[in-house]
Amino acid sequence: EAQVTQNPRYLITVTGKKLTVTCSQNMNHEYMSWYRQDPGLGLRQIYYSMNVEVTDKGDVPEGYKVSRKEKRNFPLILESPSPNQTSLYFCASSWGGGELFFGEGSRLTVL
Amino acid sequence: KNQVEQSPQSLIILEGKNCTLQCNYTVSPFSNLRWYKQDTGRGPVSLTIMTFSENTKSNGRYTATLDADTKQSSLHITASQLSDSASYICVVRSGNMLTFGGGTRLMVKP
Repeated sequence: EAQVTQNPRYLITVTGKKLTVTCSQNMNHEYMSWYRQDPGLGLRQIYYSMNVEVTDKGDVPEGYKVSRKEKRNFPLILESPSPNQTSLYFCASSWGGGELFFGEGSRLTVL
Repeated sequence: KNQVEQSPQSLIILEGKNCTLQCNYTVSPFSNLRWYKQDTGRGPVSLTIMTFSENTKSNGRYTATLDADTKQSSLHITASQLSDSASYICVVRSGNMLTFGGGTRLMVKP
C-alpha cells in the first residue's frame, strides 16, 4: 500500500531534549516536505527536499533541521525543542508537481 | 508575495444542503491549484486539481471551478453529508513552490 509513515504519532518531551520525527515513503517520490499546523493557522512549510541531498528552507525553518540521505526518508530534527514548537506535524511527498501525499501526523508537546 | 486566501473561515450547514467555499490567490506564475480535504487529526487528501485551461471539474459531489483571469477558485459541495465535516484547503503551485490557504472549516449538522 502506497503510504507516508511518520513516527512517533504522539510525543511529550521537555525543553532542550533533542528529538527526531521520522518520515518514510514507499512511492519512490522525489519531493518530500515537512509542515506544522497550529490552531487557527493553516499548514506552514518547515523544510522541503527536491531530491536526495537537496534540502531547502520553507516558511518557518527556525529551530528545525532535516536531512535527505536516502530517497525514501526525510527525518525532522529538533535539536533543542522549545514550548513554541508544540504543534501537529505533517510529512508529505509527491512526484514533481503532483499531488501531495501526507502522513497521518505527529502531535508533539514540549513542556 | 504569493498569497492564498480562503473564505469563509468556518461554515455550519445542515445535512443535505449545498455550500460553496472560496479561494482567492495572488500566486504568479500559476501552475495549478488543488483542493484538499483534511479530516480532524488526519493528513490532507487531494480532492481535485485545476490547471490553467480548466474551468470546471467534478469529483462526485464536489465540483471545483477556476477563473484564471480573476484568480479565483471555488469548491461546491452538493447534498452535503455528515462525512463532509472537515477542513478544506486550497493549495496553489507556482513551479516548485506551494502556497497554502488557511482553510475553511466545514461542519455538517444532522
